[in-house]
Amino acid sequence: QSALTQPASVSGSPGQSITISCTGTSSDVGGYNYVSWFQHHPGKAPKLMIYDVNNRPSGVSNRFSGSKSGNTASLTISGLQAEDEADYFCSSYTTTSTVFGTGTKVTVL
Amino acid sequence: QITLKESGPTLVKPTQTLTLTCTFSGFSLSTSGVGVGWIRQPPGKALEWLALIYWDDDKRYSPSLKSRLTITKDTSKNQVVLTMTNVDPMDTATYYCVHRPRGSRRFDPWGQGTLVTVSS
Repeated sequence: QSALTQPASVSGSPGQSITISCTGTSSDVGGYNYVSWFQHHPGKAPKLMIYDVNNRPSGVSNRFSGSKSGNTASLTISGLQAEDEADYFCSSYTTTSTVFGTGTKVTVL
Repeated sequence: QITLKESGPTLVKPTQTLTLTCTFSGFSLSTSGVGVGWIRQPPGKALEWLALIYWDDDKRYSPSLKSRLTITKDTSKNQVVLTMTNVDPMDTATYYCVHRPRGSRRFDPWGQGTLVTVSS
């Protein structure tokens, strides 16, 4: 199964909002409401930021939000902060596996 | 607090079998609905889901790697073991152990990962 498509990089200034897209097909993103988003600082364990399209785990800032339209899911980070600089990747459940996105490097200018 | 930690060799020769162990705490793999899985990320590439084992010993494998993978659990030791046969340099990756909460489709939390290099 092919990886979900994400932009390689997204940048923004502190306080701004940015959106990362995650495009799949009707067999993954479009077919299930089981899209997750992870934040990954190199050398550390990836951290779940959003699950089931738009749910935040306990302890995750409400500056992070998720949505989905058709075969594309999105992660929005509002009020961008220096600590948000990291790699972000999406994932989608399918009946036979879980497929991940190509990953997006977020840079805070 | 749930934690997971991966362990295993850092260097493996081509054609050998790779054995990785995930040792976890904060939950029991005998609890209904809970699962533990493995995910890897080759350098510079996307993450790839490998395998998942549930509390009831139900096992799921990546269709593309199924013939080479075996996942097992030892509930008494709080460990999950992944074996991969006939490794190749393309199997060089950071391997992560992950927890699947009861009744969910998400992976949370993840271990820190262990880098495995396949080289002669």
